[in-house]
Amino acid sequence: KAGVTQTPRYLIKTRGQQVTLSCSPISGHRSVSWYQQTPGQGLQFLFEYFSETQRNKGNFPGRFSGRQFSNSRSEMNVSTLELGDSALYLCASSTVQGALGTDTQYFGPGTRLTVL
Amino acid sequence: AQSVTQLDSHVSVSEGTPVLLRCNYSSSYSPSLFWYVQHPNKGLQLLLKYTSAATLVKGINGFEAEFKKSETSFHLTKPSAHMSDAAEYFCVVSGAAGNKLTFGGGTRVLVKP
Repeated sequence: KAGVTQTPRYLIKTRGQQVTLSCSPISGHRSVSWYQQTPGQGLQFLFEYFSETQRNKGNFPGRFSGRQFSNSRSEMNVSTLELGDSALYLCASSTVQGALGTDTQYFGPGTRLTVL
Repeated sequence: AQSVTQLDSHVSVSEGTPVLLRCNYSSSYSPSLFWYVQHPNKGLQLLLKYTSAATLVKGINGFEAEFKKSETSFHLTKPSAHMSDAAEYFCVVSGAAGNKLTFGGGTRVLVKP
């Protein structure tokens, strides 16, 4: 079974621009979560989508948004980019709805975003 | 709310010696706990997972972890380190609802020949 794929793998943008990142989950997985990884803040939860609905959200500004399509693929968008948005953005997928948080999440390789 | 503290930001071991990575957690319910590993410029790979079935959990590549509720700890061990174990390791707790993971700060492991 193919793993979680993320595109593009690398992106360079300038301040003020917007960016869209894509994530294709493992076949059969219906939950997709997004995380931001930076040297200063570590790994932080952005949001989770299940059945095209946002189910959980982390503490990020409204410039960060996402969506999920009927085939479970997900995109996240960052508008009005800031220098501090430079990070590795990781996507993870899991199987069921996550009763009591027991699902195992499988991560993609990430998208490295650099904001100049 | 839950939190995770990894007690060592860096650990250096010699090849063939044991590895111990320490993790304490805080949670208001019975959590699911995970260890993930991240090699340079790679995504996160699951090493093992605790979900209350057994307190000693065996994972991939010879790693295991022991859940101790009284100490709120979930330390990761490996009896004999290999050069390929050089990576960053994350202790993770899962939220009560949905798939919101809370990560520890990570422990970077250096393996000396």
